Amino acid sequence: GAVVSQHPSWVICKSGTSVKIECRSLDFQATTMFWYRQFPKQSLMLMATSNEGSKATYEQGVEKDKFLINHASLTLSTLTVTSAHPEDSSFYICSAPDRGSSSYNSPLHFGNGTRLTVT
Amino acid sequence: QKEVEQNSGPLSVPEGAIASLNCTYSDRGSQSFFWYRQYSGKSPELIMFIYSNGDKEDGRFTAQLNKASQYVSLLIRDSQPSDSATYLCAVNPLGDKLIFGTGTRLQVFP
Repeated sequence: GAVVSQHPSWVICKSGTSVKIECRSLDFQATTMFWYRQFPKQSLMLMATSNEGSKATYEQGVEKDKFLINHASLTLSTLTVTSAHPEDSSFYICSAPDRGSSSYNSPLHFGNGTRLTVT
Repeated sequence: QKEVEQNSGPLSVPEGAIASLNCTYSDRGSQSFFWYRQYSGKSPELIMFIYSNGDKEDGRFTAQLNKASQYVSLLIRDSQPSDSATYLCAVNPLGDKLIFGTGTRLQVFP
């Protein structure tokens, strides 16, 4: 069964509003989670690394004030897209390293993704 | 810049044949290598991972790693129409975050 749960699976919002996406690790603690974005026919692009109890690490070109990440517990990370615009429409996917691991060498388990459409 | 390259395809194979998917990477210090399958509109799912040179087999899947030549491949034996998907190669440069290739679209026709 799924080891990472992501919610919602899809959302439609109006331009200028904010959207929160939740990512939960099931039955294990994840001190690190990764947030990816995927545009149609493109590969996954890492947006940020979510660290439990500390600030997220953002990749170059990703606006930290627009994509707010909170990792308040060992099983939950949230991504909030603030003041969303049509160009933010994409497939957002969270992931967590294999159970109990914080190593970059570990396989990643992905949530089911959230398809965001901003009108 | 660290890169992972894959042929975008589509790679078309008949049902029952062997599908061979290839991936090259630029960072010679890369340590871990992953193959993910992604169905259209879905998130990736882990197929295999490999850390050492040589072959690693899991059911119908075999991952092959050649660090000297900097390539990793995935063989799918007895391909089924349900294997039709995009296969993403992902590489972990030394101590760094996972880098994904753009994926190869596989089509298995009956």
